[in-house]
This record gives sequence, C-alpha cells and structure tokens, in this order.
Amino acid sequence: DARVTQTPRHKVTEMGQEVTMRCQPILGHNTVFWYRQTMMQGLELLAYFRNRAPLDDSGMPKDRFSAEMPDATLATLKIQPSEPRDSAVYFCASGLVVRPTKNIQYFGAGTRLSVL
Amino acid sequence: AQKVTQAQTEISVVEKEDVTLDCVYETRDTTYYLFWYKQPPSGELVFLIRRNSFDEQNEISGRYSWNFQKSTSSFNFTITASQVVDSAVYFCALSEEDGGATNKLIFGTGTLLAVQP
Repeated sequence: DARVTQTPRHKVTEMGQEVTMRCQPILGHNTVFWYRQTMMQGLELLAYFRNRAPLDDSGMPKDRFSAEMPDATLATLKIQPSEPRDSAVYFCASGLVVRPTKNIQYFGAGTRLSVL
Repeated sequence: AQKVTQAQTEISVVEKEDVTLDCVYETRDTTYYLFWYKQPPSGELVFLIRRNSFDEQNEISGRYSWNFQKSTSSFNFTITASQVVDSAVYFCALSEEDGGATNKLIFGTGTLLAVQP
C-alpha cells in the first residue's frame, strides 16, 4: 500500500533552533505539497512542487522557511530559526498530475512540531 | 474568491444513526473539484472522494454517500448507520481548474464527528 512518509512524527525544539522535516512522496508522483494545520488557521498551503521545481511558495514565511526537493524521493521543509508560533502539524501530500484529470492529493501522517 | 464553509463544528450521534455533514463552497470558476478528507484521531488525512463540477450525480460507497448540488453550491456527505470508527474530523476541500499549474486545496474548517457507542 503506497503511502507518503513523513519524518519525524513528533519534534520538540527550543526557540531559535533549526528544524528540518522530511517527506518521501509516493513513488511516481510528480507533485508535492506542504500544508500546515493549526487550530487558528486550519489547513493552509505553504509550498508546492511539480517535477521537483517549486511552483508556489506564497503561503510560506520567506524569512525563516525554506522548502526543497533534492531528488524525486525526498522533499524537505526547513525552519530556521524556529519560533513558538511555528508550532503546528505539518503535512506533506503528493499527487500525480495527468491532464486533464485533476490529481488527488495523498497525505502523510504529519509532523507535529512544538517550539518551546 | 474561493471559500469552503463547514458550518457544523461538532456533531455527536449515537451508533447506527445516520449523519450528514454539510459543505458549502464559493468559487468563480466553472470548472472545479470538490473533495472530502477524513482525519481520524491518529492524525493523518485520508482521501475519501473527489468530484468535478460537471458531474452532479450523487455517489454512494458503502455507508458513505455524497450529494452534490451546484444550484446551492453544496457538497454534503452522509454516513448511514454510523459506527464508532467513523469518529473523526471531516474536511471538505475545493480545488479550481487553473490550467493545471496549481492544484491547491482550499479546506473548510472541518467538522468533528463523535459517534457514541
């Protein structure tokens, strides 16, 4: 059963520390998304890749967040320096865009981040 | 502007009751896609269904059914004979057709369904 794999599942860190979250998309998928879930804002898109190229990162605070896809099997979301307001669950999703059919996004289990 | 409204924050039912989760959406596009996802207590988001704007046929999958009505911009989800395992947060989401450049999902705020034994 193909799944999106996210690591770590939980991360507790102190303010100012660097945090790196990793995502392994489903093999063969060509799109990767990063979402953040908080009680206040709900689920919001942070960044989006297609064929490893960033297409939309307008939802991401540029000064401290960065998203990359070093290869087709790995996407990373980095926060440096982290702040308490970054505490949230971060989800990675992947999908296969085959026109004209719209892709379905399959989500990983999320990384629960707590910044103290 | 795109928007998804799930007015029901929490619903509590007793096992075997039927329950309907409401979803109302706003979009200026004529081509769009609607989704439902389930988030059980374990936290992952599980895809349930995708519908495109040209297909208004209702869909049934086991105890789940979906009622899509463009006239009222609604895409409601009904669980028949609910079970404790249905307890979860359910999200409705919208994705617009934009030439395929972005498949961004706009999520509603979710409905927490608690099914009591």
